[in-house]
Amino acid sequence: QEKVQQSPESLIVPEGAMSSLNCTFSNSASQSIWWYQQHPGKGPEALISIFSNGNKKEGRLTVYLNRASLHVSLHIRDSQPSDSAVYLCAVSANAYKVIFGKGTHLHVLP
Amino acid sequence: ETAVFQTPNYHVTQVGNEVSFNCKQTLGHDTMYWYKQDSKKLLKIMFSYNNKQLIVNETVPRRFSPQSSDKAHLNLRIKSVEPEDSAVYLCASSSWGLQDTQYFGPGTRLLVL
Repeated sequence: QEKVQQSPESLIVPEGAMSSLNCTFSNSASQSIWWYQQHPGKGPEALISIFSNGNKKEGRLTVYLNRASLHVSLHIRDSQPSDSAVYLCAVSANAYKVIFGKGTHLHVLP
Repeated sequence: ETAVFQTPNYHVTQVGNEVSFNCKQTLGHDTMYWYKQDSKKLLKIMFSYNNKQLIVNETVPRRFSPQSSDKAHLNLRIKSVEPEDSAVYLCASSSWGLQDTQYFGPGTRLLVL
């Protein structure tokens, strides 16, 4: 059974700082990995996904995937108060099943 | 822009009652899902449907039953709710494939008294 662990549980950063979130997974054969953002009272929204080893950049977001160490990280450059949310790491276990981590609560202080 | 719609937003009921939640997606996706999100934000998959066929049925109590009339609709019925069913139920959809992003609805918050 695929396991997804996220750290830290909670992260507080000042506005303008870099936010770094981590995720480890248990199955190196897992296909795609996503980061979702969830604001209070809303459903999760996909931010960025990665499939191949290496990094992927989209706007202020950068994702690093290292399949050998079963680790993926999300970095948010120039963090804004509007980035305050829960960030969920999700890993595909098979074609119809995605396993989510417990999330990191990000608080960006103005 | 919302493309996965869920009703109701919020439902309060008593132990032993039956409840039904509705979900509709307008994205033309083939696959739909029901997730349960607990108070600590942990998302656990309950069911996956592809083209009205049940694909994944995780270990959930038998009082939960999904219902799909077409590939754009996936409802969830709970017979005889229990206090531990209090949670947010999230519906999602995606196209076919391992690399496909899931699109979530806003959720239905259930409170069982």
